[in-house]
Amino acid sequence: DAGVTQSPTHLIKTRGQHVTLRCSPISGHKSVSWYQQVLGQGPQFIFQYYEKEERGRGNFPDRFSARQFPNYSSELNVNALLLGDSALYLCASSRRDVSSYEQYFGPGTRLTVT
Amino acid sequence: QQQVKQSPQSLIVQKGGIPIINCAYENTAFDYFPWYQQFPGKGPALLIAIRPDVSEKKEGRFTISFNKSAKQFSLHIMDSQPGDSATYFCAEGYNKLIFGAGTRLAVHP
Repeated sequence: DAGVTQSPTHLIKTRGQHVTLRCSPISGHKSVSWYQQVLGQGPQFIFQYYEKEERGRGNFPDRFSARQFPNYSSELNVNALLLGDSALYLCASSRRDVSSYEQYFGPGTRLTVT
Repeated sequence: QQQVKQSPQSLIVQKGGIPIINCAYENTAFDYFPWYQQFPGKGPALLIAIRPDVSEKKEGRFTISFNKSAKQFSLHIMDSQPGDSATYFCAEGYNKLIFGAGTRLAVHP
Protein backbone atom coordinates (compact mmCIF):
# COMPACT_ATOMS: atom_id res chain seq x y z
CA ASP A 1 0.00 0.00 0.00
CA ALA A 2 1.19 3.53 -0.77
CA GLY A 3 2.11 5.67 2.19
CA VAL A 4 1.46 9.35 2.69
CA THR A 5 2.63 11.34 -0.31
CA GLN A 6 3.57 15.00 -0.37
CA SER A 7 4.43 17.44 -3.12
CA PRO A 8 6.61 19.16 -3.99
CA THR A 9 9.70 17.63 -2.40
CA HIS A 10 11.61 20.87 -2.26
CA LEU A 11 10.61 24.48 -2.75
CA ILE A 12 12.48 27.77 -2.73
CA LYS A 13 10.48 30.96 -2.28
CA THR A 14 11.21 34.62 -1.64
CA ARG A 15 10.04 36.57 1.40
CA GLY A 16 6.49 37.88 0.96
CA GLN A 17 5.47 35.18 -1.51
CA HIS A 18 2.74 32.59 -1.09
CA VAL A 19 3.19 28.81 -1.07
CA THR A 20 0.85 25.81 -1.39
CA LEU A 21 1.89 22.37 -0.19
CA ARG A 22 -0.05 19.22 -1.00
CA CYS A 23 -0.66 15.91 0.77
CA SER A 24 -2.40 12.66 -0.08
CA PRO A 25 -3.20 10.41 2.89
CA ILE A 26 -2.97 6.64 3.11
CA SER A 27 -5.94 5.00 1.44
CA GLY A 28 -8.78 4.67 3.94
CA HIS A 29 -7.46 7.39 6.24
CA LYS A 30 -9.84 10.30 6.66
CA SER A 31 -7.72 12.55 8.86
CA VAL A 32 -4.77 14.69 7.82
CA SER A 33 -2.54 16.72 10.12
CA TRP A 34 0.17 19.22 9.24
CA TYR A 35 3.37 19.77 11.23
CA GLN A 36 6.31 22.14 10.89
CA GLN A 37 9.78 20.82 11.69
CA VAL A 38 12.55 23.36 12.03
CA LEU A 39 16.04 21.93 11.66
CA GLY A 40 17.20 20.28 14.87
CA GLN A 41 13.79 20.33 16.55
CA GLY A 42 10.77 18.08 16.90
CA PRO A 43 7.71 18.57 14.68
CA GLN A 44 5.19 21.20 15.81
CA PHE A 45 1.48 20.76 15.17
CA ILE A 46 -0.13 23.24 12.78
CA PHE A 47 -3.57 21.86 11.80
CA GLN A 48 -5.71 18.76 11.81
CA TYR A 49 -8.54 18.10 9.37
CA TYR A 50 -11.06 15.30 9.59
CA GLU A 51 -13.92 14.76 7.18
CA LYS A 52 -13.07 18.10 5.54
CA GLU A 53 -13.45 20.09 8.75
CA GLU A 54 -10.75 21.71 10.87
CA ARG A 55 -10.53 19.77 14.13
CA GLY A 56 -7.47 21.35 15.67
CA ARG A 57 -5.13 24.30 15.26
CA GLY A 58 -1.70 24.89 16.72
CA ASN A 59 -0.06 28.13 17.75
CA PHE A 60 0.63 29.49 14.27
CA PRO A 61 -0.32 32.88 12.77
CA ASP A 62 -3.26 33.40 10.44
CA ARG A 63 -0.85 33.41 7.50
CA PHE A 64 -1.12 29.64 7.74
CA SER A 65 -4.30 28.02 6.42
CA ALA A 66 -5.32 24.62 5.18
CA ARG A 67 -8.18 22.69 3.70
CA GLN A 68 -9.19 19.10 3.03
CA PHE A 69 -10.87 17.91 -0.13
CA PRO A 70 -13.64 15.31 -0.63
CA ASN A 71 -11.00 12.67 -1.52
CA TYR A 72 -9.31 13.46 1.87
CA SER A 73 -6.23 15.01 0.30
CA SER A 74 -5.15 18.32 1.81
CA GLU A 75 -3.40 21.58 1.07
CA LEU A 76 -1.42 23.80 3.40
CA ASN A 77 -1.15 27.44 2.38
CA VAL A 78 1.26 29.98 3.79
CA ASN A 79 0.96 33.65 2.86
CA ALA A 80 3.47 36.48 3.20
CA LEU A 81 6.39 34.13 3.73
CA LEU A 82 9.02 35.02 6.31
CA LEU A 83 12.57 33.73 6.59
CA GLY A 84 11.49 31.90 9.75
CA ASP A 85 9.01 29.82 7.76
CA SER A 86 11.92 27.85 6.32
CA ALA A 87 11.37 24.31 7.57
CA LEU A 88 10.35 20.78 6.68
CA TYR A 89 6.55 20.65 6.42
CA LEU A 90 5.17 17.25 7.29
CA CYS A 91 1.79 15.76 6.61
CA ALA A 92 0.47 12.87 8.68
CA SER A 93 -2.60 10.76 8.09
CA SER A 94 -4.61 8.67 10.51
CA ARG A 95 -7.83 6.73 10.67
CA ARG A 96 -8.85 8.80 13.73
CA ASP A 97 -10.90 5.92 15.07
CA VAL A 98 -11.69 5.86 18.77
CA SER A 99 -9.31 2.90 19.06
CA SER A 100 -6.57 4.12 16.78
CA TYR A 101 -4.37 7.14 17.32
CA GLU A 102 -1.52 6.13 15.02
CA GLN A 103 -0.31 8.93 12.76
CA TYR A 104 1.81 8.10 9.73
CA PHE A 105 4.02 10.79 8.27
CA GLY A 106 4.93 11.55 4.70
CA PRO A 107 8.45 12.44 3.54
CA GLY A 108 7.80 16.15 3.91
CA THR A 109 8.27 19.24 1.78
CA ARG A 110 11.47 21.18 2.40
CA LEU A 111 10.63 24.90 2.14
CA THR A 112 13.43 27.42 1.92
CA VAL A 113 12.55 31.12 2.13
CA THR A 114 15.23 33.53 0.92
CA GLN B 1 2.71 25.44 27.04
CA GLN B 2 2.59 21.68 27.31
CA GLN B 3 5.96 20.06 26.88
CA VAL B 4 7.57 16.70 26.55
CA LYS B 5 11.11 16.84 27.89
CA GLN B 6 13.43 14.39 26.14
CA SER B 7 16.95 13.37 27.11
CA PRO B 8 19.73 12.95 26.24
CA GLN B 9 20.13 15.29 23.30
CA SER B 10 22.63 12.90 21.71
CA LEU B 11 23.89 9.41 22.41
CA ILE B 12 26.75 7.28 21.13
CA VAL B 13 26.87 3.52 21.71
CA GLN B 14 28.80 0.60 20.33
CA LYS B 15 27.12 -2.05 18.22
CA GLY B 16 25.25 -4.46 20.50
CA GLY B 17 24.78 -1.84 23.24
CA ILE B 18 21.41 -0.82 24.69
CA PRO B 19 20.76 2.91 24.23
CA ILE B 20 18.07 4.32 26.52
CA ILE B 21 16.16 7.51 25.71
CA ASN B 22 13.98 9.15 28.34
CA CYS B 23 10.94 11.41 28.18
CA ALA B 24 8.93 13.23 30.84
CA TYR B 25 5.44 14.52 30.17
CA GLU B 26 3.17 17.03 31.92
CA ASN B 27 -0.37 16.44 30.71
CA THR B 28 -1.92 13.44 32.44
CA ALA B 29 -5.04 13.67 30.25
CA PHE B 30 -3.27 12.03 27.33
CA ASP B 31 -3.15 8.27 27.06
CA TYR B 32 -1.11 7.68 23.94
CA PHE B 33 2.68 7.88 23.85
CA PRO B 34 4.40 7.03 20.54
CA TRP B 35 8.04 6.95 19.53
CA TYR B 36 9.18 7.96 16.08
CA GLN B 37 12.44 7.29 14.21
CA GLN B 38 13.67 9.81 11.68
CA PHE B 39 16.52 9.46 9.19
CA PRO B 40 18.07 12.55 7.57
CA GLY B 41 15.89 13.92 4.79
CA LYS B 42 12.96 11.63 5.66
CA GLY B 43 9.71 11.98 7.54
CA PRO B 44 9.34 10.47 11.03
CA ALA B 45 8.38 6.78 11.03
CA LEU B 46 6.18 5.37 13.79
CA LEU B 47 8.26 2.89 15.75
CA ILE B 48 6.23 1.80 18.75
CA ALA B 49 3.56 3.29 21.01
CA ILE B 50 2.17 2.63 24.47
CA ARG B 51 -0.92 3.37 26.52
CA PRO B 52 -0.49 4.07 30.26
CA ASP B 53 -2.50 1.02 31.29
CA VAL B 54 0.61 -1.11 30.71
CA SER B 55 4.09 -0.63 32.13
CA GLU B 56 6.05 -2.13 29.27
CA LYS B 57 5.63 -2.94 25.59
CA LYS B 58 8.05 -4.78 23.29
CA GLU B 59 8.17 -4.88 19.52
CA GLY B 60 11.20 -6.64 18.13
CA ARG B 61 14.33 -4.98 19.53
CA PHE B 62 12.42 -1.92 20.75
CA THR B 63 10.91 -1.67 24.25
CA ILE B 64 8.96 1.12 25.88
CA SER B 65 8.90 1.34 29.66
CA PHE B 66 6.16 3.50 31.19
CA ASN B 67 6.09 4.93 34.73
CA LYS B 68 2.71 6.60 35.20
CA SER B 69 3.36 7.86 38.74
CA ALA B 70 6.59 9.56 37.69
CA LYS B 71 5.07 10.74 34.37
CA GLN B 72 8.02 9.31 32.50
CA PHE B 73 8.53 6.84 29.68
CA SER B 74 11.61 5.54 27.95
CA LEU B 75 12.74 3.73 24.82
CA HIS B 76 15.27 0.90 24.98
CA ILE B 77 16.89 -0.49 21.82
CA MET B 78 18.22 -3.98 22.35
CA ASP B 79 21.28 -5.24 20.43
CA SER B 80 21.64 -1.89 18.66
CA GLN B 81 22.97 -1.86 15.09
CA PRO B 82 24.64 0.82 12.98
CA GLY B 83 21.40 0.96 10.95
CA ASP B 84 19.61 2.23 14.08
CA SER B 85 21.61 5.47 13.84
CA ALA B 86 18.89 8.11 13.51
CA THR B 87 17.05 10.77 15.49
CA TYR B 88 14.38 9.47 17.86
CA PHE B 89 11.39 11.49 19.03
CA CYS B 90 8.97 10.75 21.82
CA ALA B 91 5.51 12.30 21.72
CA GLU B 92 2.24 12.44 23.58
CA GLY B 93 -1.32 13.27 22.63
CA TYR B 94 -4.24 12.07 20.60
CA ASN B 95 -4.89 13.84 17.33
CA LYS B 96 -2.45 16.66 18.11
CA LEU B 97 0.94 15.16 18.90
CA ILE B 98 3.36 17.08 21.12
CA PHE B 99 6.91 16.04 20.36
CA GLY B 100 10.10 16.05 22.37
CA ALA B 101 13.16 17.82 20.99
CA GLY B 102 14.72 14.57 19.75
CA THR B 103 17.73 12.38 20.53
CA ARG B 104 20.40 11.87 17.92
CA LEU B 105 21.66 8.30 18.24
CA ALA B 106 24.89 7.05 16.69
CA VAL B 107 25.68 3.33 16.83
CA HIS B 108 29.32 2.65 16.05
CA PRO B 109 30.39 -0.68 14.49
